[in-house]
Amino acid sequence: QQPVQSPQAVILREGEDAVINCSSSKALYSVHWYRQKHGEAPVFLMILLKGGEQKGHDKISASFNEKKQQSSLYLTASQLSYSGTYFCGTEILVDDKIIFGKGTRLHILP
Amino acid sequence: EAQVTQNPRYLITVTGKKLTVTCSQNMNHEYMSWYRQDPGLGLRQIYYSMNVEVTDKGDVPEGYKVSRKEKRNFPLILESPSPNQTSLYFCASSLESRGRKIYGYTFGSGTRLTVV
Repeated sequence: QQPVQSPQAVILREGEDAVINCSSSKALYSVHWYRQKHGEAPVFLMILLKGGEQKGHDKISASFNEKKQQSSLYLTASQLSYSGTYFCGTEILVDDKIIFGKGTRLHILP
Repeated sequence: EAQVTQNPRYLITVTGKKLTVTCSQNMNHEYMSWYRQDPGLGLRQIYYSMNVEVTDKGDVPEGYKVSRKEKRNFPLILESPSPNQTSLYFCASSLESRGRKIYGYTFGSGTRLTVV
């Protein structure tokens, strides 16, 4: 039931783009995205609801493919501040829990 | 300031000595939850509560207890801690709309627990 995230880790240079994927085997109501910096709590980035919408703010956006039960997080022109671990959390249709993936570690080099 | 407050931040204890980690939120959120975070495993849900006096098990509830007597507080109790409960614990809360957490979680700062 735990969503699968890929890749597990990625190293980029500042200014490059990144895509992080999240895939579930269950029908989803929503997908949450969070970023966690080392030693800190996860911070909410955005939520995508059933309906296949794409959301974004600044240079971070996400999409939700309801048919495939997949979501992708897009980081455009990455900045040093984007470094951290990204988690997707999925809320399935027949449950009221949010289950998190194992995370994707993103490291941005200057 | 809207926040989730956890205490303590760090705790070292011995096997079998009962302990409580407190969690309090000031946002009037209905939904509260406890997660543990271990390297390579991500965040795993221990217990959650949809409102006062309503609690339910998450994916890894063994060895833990919770209570929700007031809306703002959701303490995590380890009656007889064991070394395999050494972990980083997070409390989180969320507003709900029609039973769905459409506003995302606000997490506490975390409690690093070591059981020796």
